[in-house]
Amino acid sequence: GAGVSQSPRYKVAKRGQDVALRCDPISGHVSLFWYQQALGQGPEFLTYFQNEAQLDKSGLPSDRFFAERPEGSVSTLKIQRTQQEDSAVYLCASSFWGLAVTYEQYFGPGTRLTVT
Amino acid sequence: GESVGLHLPTLSVQEGDNSIINCAYSNSASDYFIWYKQESGKGPQFIIDIRSNMDKRQGQRVTVLLNKTVKHLSLQIAATQPGDSAVYFCAESVNTGNQFYFGTGTSLTVIP
Repeated sequence: GAGVSQSPRYKVAKRGQDVALRCDPISGHVSLFWYQQALGQGPEFLTYFQNEAQLDKSGLPSDRFFAERPEGSVSTLKIQRTQQEDSAVYLCASSFWGLAVTYEQYFGPGTRLTVT
Repeated sequence: GESVGLHLPTLSVQEGDNSIINCAYSNSASDYFIWYKQESGKGPQFIIDIRSNMDKRQGQRVTVLLNKTVKHLSLQIAATQPGDSAVYFCAESVNTGNQFYFGTGTSLTVIP
């Protein structure tokens, strides 16, 4: 796999259900980012990891959102008690460099979450 | 927070013509900018970047111009091709930060 992969690609959840979204970054990439993209909008930052350390989670919209990257590679974004306003595409991006954002990020295809 | 916006939400051009996509940003501390291309069902794809110590940078068929005085970015695509049809986003960042702020996007349609 040469690129960032995300699974599932599509997820339909009933309101109140918990969901887990997975991101497999490019092997060897130090930095990992999660974004939320509403329909017709640009991506909005959620959280950032450098290896296994979550250095910035200021973009997480509520305490229902939780992200982890326990071994510094694969990351999971978990949303508890999903609400309709959580419906969006969740994008993961990785970067080789460990220095914040000022280097090219490689994005995955996203997971489209629909909460009914 | 920062505000990054685009002047034109949609743009249609004839194949072979040049395209110009504009973007305004509001944070004067932003010192790094990227243009992304996003095709339907895919994640954003890096096109070109520019740092605030430059006012112009060229890539293959693309040029980014930065005017810090009026906090304006533009992306010029030469000889636009049907494969260039996509949504284009500008994104800004402060070098020491961890966040990119994306604009709403401009939808470019290339007419064959």
